[in-house]
Amino acid sequence: NAGVTQTPKFQVLKTGQSMTLQCAQDMNHEYMSWYRQDPGMGLRLIHYSVGAGITDQGEVPNGYNVSRSTTEDFPLRLLSAAPSQTSVYFCASSSGNEQFFGPGTRLTVL
Amino acid sequence: AQKVTQAQTEISVVEKEDVTLDCVYETRDTTYYLFWYKQPPSGELVFLIRRNSFDEQNEISGRYSWNFQKSTSSFNFTITASQVVDSAVYFCALSEVDTGGFKTIFGAGTRLFVKA
Repeated sequence: NAGVTQTPKFQVLKTGQSMTLQCAQDMNHEYMSWYRQDPGMGLRLIHYSVGAGITDQGEVPNGYNVSRSTTEDFPLRLLSAAPSQTSVYFCASSSGNEQFFGPGTRLTVL
Repeated sequence: AQKVTQAQTEISVVEKEDVTLDCVYETRDTTYYLFWYKQPPSGELVFLIRRNSFDEQNEISGRYSWNFQKSTSSFNFTITASQVVDSAVYFCALSEVDTGGFKTIFGAGTRLFVKA
């Protein structure tokens, strides 16, 4: 099992550009989530999902879209990148017990 | 609304000292789950423990122990005989299940420095 994989590992964007952060899990978990971690801070929940076709907003959803068309994949879309979105992004999946986290994507918006 | 407070921003101890990391949570749900995660300097998140709201038994795992008290809404984490390898940021988290899924809120974290 690869667990939770995230691509890319690093990304630099210019203000106004859009992009999609990819997240995939091979554990057949129902629950998936996206978090951002800013320097010296905890993880803040962006969006989460209980299964294909069902998503909900977390603490900081503005500027981000998600969709869940399959159990395995949960991509996060930045519609128009802003410097305030510079952060490390973590994807996680869970069966309801432990959350398994991906290695993170470090995003810089110039 | 969910909230997790880790009042200790940074703690510095000398190796072999015991250290307790505090976590206080707020929730309106009667069913919820509490977690502790470790984030070493390398950046990955390492799961340490999960507790559900109906299980107030304290747990010990090697040098780690957890004290869950619903009466004070606290879920504290103690490291006994700390080691340099324990240096990391430790996060407490609270999960509730709603129609959207597993909604987990993290505390701001406590950075632990263990000096040799």
